Parts: sequence; C-alpha cells; structure tokens
Amino acid sequence: DIQMTQSPASLSVSVGETVTITCRASENIYSNLAWYQQKQGKSPQLLVYAATNLADGVPSRFSGSGSGTQYSLKINSLQSEDFGSYYCQHFWGTPYTFGGGTKLEIK
Amino acid sequence: EVKLVESGGGLVKPGGSLKLSCAASGFTFSSYAMSWVRQTPEKRLEWVASISSGGSTYYPDSVKGRFTISRDNARNILYLQMSSLRSEDTAMYYCARGTARAREPYFDYWGQGTTLTVSS
Repeated sequence: DIQMTQSPASLSVSVGETVTITCRASENIYSNLAWYQQKQGKSPQLLVYAATNLADGVPSRFSGSGSGTQYSLKINSLQSEDFGSYYCQHFWGTPYTFGGGTKLEIK
Repeated sequence: EVKLVESGGGLVKPGGSLKLSCAASGFTFSSYAMSWVRQTPEKRLEWVASISSGGSTYYPDSVKGRFTISRDNARNILYLQMSSLRSEDTAMYYCARGTARAREPYFDYWGQGTTLTVSS
C-alpha cells in the first residue's frame, strides 16, 4: 500500500500569512493526488484534484503543485475562513490512502 | 444542488452487523462512482469502499470480506452492508461522490456523515 506522509501535523499562523502544507507519497503517484479541507464539525470538501486543479468554487489563493512523490498545497494571504484541517489523498490505485492531516490554527 | 444524506448509523456490539444508506439527489446518480470514507475518533480519514458506475467494487484489506458496497440506481441510494464489526470500525461514515472531471474518482461531494459505534 502507498503511504502518505503529511507535514506539518499542525501549524499556528496569522491572517494574511502564506502557508505551505506538504504531502510525500511512499512511491510515485503520478500526480493522482487530492487535497481536502475540513472545518470543525463539517465533512471534508475537495480543494484540489489531480495535484494542481482547483475544484469548483475554490478561491484562487489556494494552489496545488508537485509531481512524483512530493506534493504541496499553498494558501496565499490566509483568511479567517481557511482555518481548519487539511488532508491529502492519493488515487494511484487502491487503497486510496489519506495523509494524517494538518491542523491550521489561528495564532 | 448535489445532496448526499447518510443514515443507519448506531451502536452495535462487536461481531454485529449494520447497513448504512446514502440517499443521493441533484445529479444523475447512475453515472457516477460512489464511495464510503470513514473518520476515526482520532480524526484519521480512511477510504472504506468504492463502486463504479458500472457496479465494480473495491475495498481495502481492512474491510474486505466484511463490508459490501452496493447501489440502487432506480432509487438513487448507496449502501454499505457491514458485518463482523470490530471496535476499530467505530467512526463517522461519509458517502462521497467521485468526480466526473478526471480519470480518477476524486471525492467532490460528501454527505454529512452517520456515526457507527462498536462497543459491548
């Protein structure tokens, strides 16, 4: 099975800052990667698919990048509504494993 | 508007069975791959099962042989039949739709979830 290692596990940041979350796969996943945002008490929402494509309605301050085994989610000019947890997930064959998550908190 | 509404969760004893349902609306259900994902009390997300639009099914080893995903395209309902339940199956269970915008079924819509607790 492909393991997804996400870092950092938590991050304390201020509104307006830029944040980068990374996800490393245990083998090449050929950009078959998604990023999700989950707010407290809500279900996850798709942010990015196929490593770089923004899902419908996602603000342009979010961007995804990467290839091979290394991927990143960048949030420019963090807004208050961006705080919550973020997860990566690979889709290079089953099982579709998730990263352990990154909790973004307000400093 | 795409809507996914799960139901059927509850408290079950170890070794017991339960069937979850997910009622879908706002899209052509039969044309989409659908999946179940669970979130443990520790907030870890785990993919549980997927079914393609054509009815092919996929499971991780952790639930293979114990869980069965199925769909009723006439009624727009996704199911997850769970048996031989264990304490480690305790989680919030979400149903999710696979996007049609990519070759792979990225989960573009999620329900609100239904909670399963396995405990004696």
